[in-house]
Amino acid sequence: GAVVSQHPSWVICKSGTSVKIECRSLDFQATTMFWYRQFPKQSLMLMATSNEGSKATYEQGVEKDKFLINHASLTLSTLTVTSAHPEDSSFYICSAALNYGYTFGSGTRLTVV
Amino acid sequence: AQKITQTQPGMFVQEKEAVTLDCTYDTSDQSYGLFWYKQPSSGEMIFLIYQGSYDEQNATEGRYSLNFQKARKSANLVISASQLGDSAMYFCAMREGPGGTSYGKLTFGQGTILTVHP
Repeated sequence: GAVVSQHPSWVICKSGTSVKIECRSLDFQATTMFWYRQFPKQSLMLMATSNEGSKATYEQGVEKDKFLINHASLTLSTLTVTSAHPEDSSFYICSAALNYGYTFGSGTRLTVV
Repeated sequence: AQKITQTQPGMFVQEKEAVTLDCTYDTSDQSYGLFWYKQPSSGEMIFLIYQGSYDEQNATEGRYSLNFQKARKSANLVISASQLGDSAMYFCAMREGPGGTSYGKLTFGQGTILTVHP
């Protein structure tokens, strides 16, 4: 089946630094990738939708300059959390759209100290 | 307005019994898709079952079935013969618009934490 590999699975970074999260589609071409954020025991909140070769579409309230999304190829989409702060600590998960549904990465647990 | 509503923050069920997780939705689209996912403590999203708005039959996948009541806009998940490994968070989600190449985004409900007791 279609697999999205997400790395890293967890990361701890210092406040003020940037962190990059990668999602790679291993056996298919991901035209559209969705990035979600999830706080403990809460729902997945869509942050942005990225389409290969074009600028990402951000949801209302999501800071574009803070959460940089790049989808430069059909197999790689990245989310960079810039100047991270403790309140950015969360679980981030990507999802690729397929003809018949969606496939999710395994998620990245980000802790900013 | 909330598009997907799961009103049960937590549910408990005895092993081997059946449990129903509620989900209601709101959309003006005629074509949409409803999904259920399981999220164990590891965080991965496990696809369980899908129901298209035009599907006349309720979807079933092994021990999972979806009780689709279109007029009431509800899509409840029924898990039969619960197992200890079913303990997890369960999400109902909706894609508005047709599937295939439309690549519409998924909107998730608040989730229900299911605990299966031995």
